Amino acid sequence: KAGVTQTPRYLIKTRGQQVTLSCSPISGHRSVSWYQQTPGQGLQFLFEYFSETQRNKGNFPGRFSGRQFSNSRSEMNVSTLELGDSALYLCASSLSTGLREQYFGPGTRLTVT
Amino acid sequence: KNEVEQSPQNLTAQEGEFITINCSYSVGISALHWLQQHPGGGIVSLFMLSSGKKKHGRLIATINIQEKHSSLHITASHPRDSAVYICAVRGETSGSRLTFGEGTQLTVNP
Repeated sequence: KAGVTQTPRYLIKTRGQQVTLSCSPISGHRSVSWYQQTPGQGLQFLFEYFSETQRNKGNFPGRFSGRQFSNSRSEMNVSTLELGDSALYLCASSLSTGLREQYFGPGTRLTVT
Repeated sequence: KNEVEQSPQNLTAQEGEFITINCSYSVGISALHWLQQHPGGGIVSLFMLSSGKKKHGRLIATINIQEKHSSLHITASHPRDSAVYICAVRGETSGSRLTFGEGTQLTVNP
């Protein structure tokens, strides 16, 4: 079974631009969670989607948004990029929400200049 | 004070040594995860546990719910074990949301 895939793997954007990152979960997995990792703040939860609905949201500004499609693939969008948005963005999939093992993708490294 | 505290932050060991990484948390949890992150960023889930002890190869994870404490042990450490080990907790009412510790950088020298 293929693992979690994320595209693109690397991205360079300029302040003020917007970016869309994609995550394809393991086949059969219906829950996708997104995380941001920075050297200063470590790993932080962004949001979780299950059955095309946002189930949980972390403490991030409204510039960060996401969605999930009927095939469970998920995208996250960051608008009006700031330098501080430079980070590794990880998604993780699980069979369903709640007490389930999460499987992480390789991440998308975003650099904002 | 962070909800999840790990110690030590950095650990250097010689090949073959027994290693322990500790994690303390301050909230009620439904599960605790131990994760491994290699340079380059990829994260592998090692254990998910809500009570007792789990073992996988040379890795052992224990949790004491009453004391809000978990340990990750590595027996007969090897240079390929060098990585960042991260403790993460799932709160009782937080669904799949994980709160992470700062990680422990482990270096095992040959």
